[in-house]
Amino acid sequence: QQQVKQSPQSLIVQKGGISIINCAYENTAFDYFPWYQQFPGKGPALLIAIRPDVSEKKEGRFTISFNKSAKQFSLHIMDSQPGDSATYFCAASMSSWTASKLTFGTGTRLQVTL
Amino acid sequence: DGGITQSPKYLFRKEGQNVTLSCEQNLNHDAMYWYRQDPGQGLRLIYYSQIVNDFQKGDIAEGYSVSREKKESFPLTVTSAQKNPTAFYLCASKDGRSYEQYFGPGTRLTVT
Repeated sequence: QQQVKQSPQSLIVQKGGISIINCAYENTAFDYFPWYQQFPGKGPALLIAIRPDVSEKKEGRFTISFNKSAKQFSLHIMDSQPGDSATYFCAASMSSWTASKLTFGTGTRLQVTL
Repeated sequence: DGGITQSPKYLFRKEGQNVTLSCEQNLNHDAMYWYRQDPGQGLRLIYYSQIVNDFQKGDIAEGYSVSREKKESFPLTVTSAQKNPTAFYLCASKDGRSYEQYFGPGTRLTVT
C-alpha cells in the first residue's frame, strides 16, 4: 500500500532528447508527489512537485504529468543536457501523515550522452 | 548562509562500535528526518522529529537512536545492534507549514 514503484532503473538519452521517468503508487491517500535530483555523493535536491488537483506542472525544462485515475505520475525532461545526468527519485506523501513522511521510489539513473 | 550541514562527510568505524552522525540546520525548520540510502533501494526513513524533545520511529529504526534537544540539531547514533550499518545517511528538514523536505549533503558510513 505504501510503495512507490519507479521505472526505468536506468536511462540513456542523447543530448537534446526527452527523458521520461515513470512512477506508480497504490495508496490513493497520497496527495503530494515530489521529484528529487541527486548527483553522486550529494544529498537529493527537490526538483519539482505536484498535488493531485492538477494534471501537469512545468518548471523550465522539467514537467510532471499526473494521472490520478491510473495512479501514475511521470517526470519529463525536455532538451536533456549532459548536466542533467544524475539519479532521479520520485516520492509520495499524504497530508494525514504526521510530519509528512515521504515514501521514495528506488531511483532512475539518467545518463545524457553527447 | 542557510542550510543543512552533516558531518563528517566520510566516517569509518570498526564493527561493534557505536557512532554518532551530526545534523544541524539553520533554516528554523520544525521537522527533521534521518534517511538511509543503499544502492538500488531508494531512501528509507529511520527516525523523524516534529518538535524538540519528541521523535518517532520510521520504517527501519532498529539499531538506531536519536535525540532532539535543540530545534536546530538532530544527531543519529548508529549502534552496534545495527546489523548492516554501512550506508549513505541523509538528514532532511521541513518547515511545519509545507510539504517540502530539504536534504543535507550526507554522511557515508563504512563499518568494517
